[in-house]
Amino acid sequence: GENVEQHPSTLSVQEGDSAVIKCTYSDSASNYFPWYKQELGKRPQLIIDIRSNVGEKKDQRIAVTLNKTAKHFSLHITETQPEDSAVYFCAASMGKLIFGQGTELSVKP
Amino acid sequence: ETGVTQSPTHLIKTRGQQVTLRCSSQSGHNTVSWYQQALGQGPQFIFQYYREEENGRGNFPPRFSGLQFPNYSSELNVNALELDDSALYLCASSGTSGGSTDTQYFGPGTRLTVL
Repeated sequence: GENVEQHPSTLSVQEGDSAVIKCTYSDSASNYFPWYKQELGKRPQLIIDIRSNVGEKKDQRIAVTLNKTAKHFSLHITETQPEDSAVYFCAASMGKLIFGQGTELSVKP
Repeated sequence: ETGVTQSPTHLIKTRGQQVTLRCSSQSGHNTVSWYQQALGQGPQFIFQYYREEENGRGNFPPRFSGLQFPNYSSELNVNALELDDSALYLCASSGTSGGSTDTQYFGPGTRLTVL
């Protein structure tokens, strides 16, 4: 069935370093790939998304890359700050979002 | 913050009871999706409503049912509650076409505890 694998499950970086989270998906028909940030007790918040006709998208310190042939996509956060600490979820969509298991990012001052 | 709202915020029920959760979509959106998020896990798709019709369903039993109203708000009903139904229930509203690439914006969720 449809599946999204996300790695790593936890990631600890020093403030100012970069963080990379990787996801692979199983359904080659997926055509939309959002990333959500979820702080403790709060709703998932969309931080960036990419559609299958684009290979890379950047928004300030955040970028996402997509490789449809390999069926994987990645989130890159540069110059991390303590407020980036949260759980990050990738998802793949064909209408319904199939989420990865989440990555708990900790940015140490 | 998104314009998506959910009620109630928290709910405690006992096994076998029934529960109704509510979601108001963002202005201009006609699609509502429901997700179940167990502690420490990613959200799991329950079903989606587009213009008052079910538009896809995940791997959840029939005791999970829903409705969408003419104003595009939505309800999630769960019958015969089980302990494993304890979770955060999220709704997300999206676009105008019911399409697969519409961005979904989440509400704050309803925390359901089943005792």
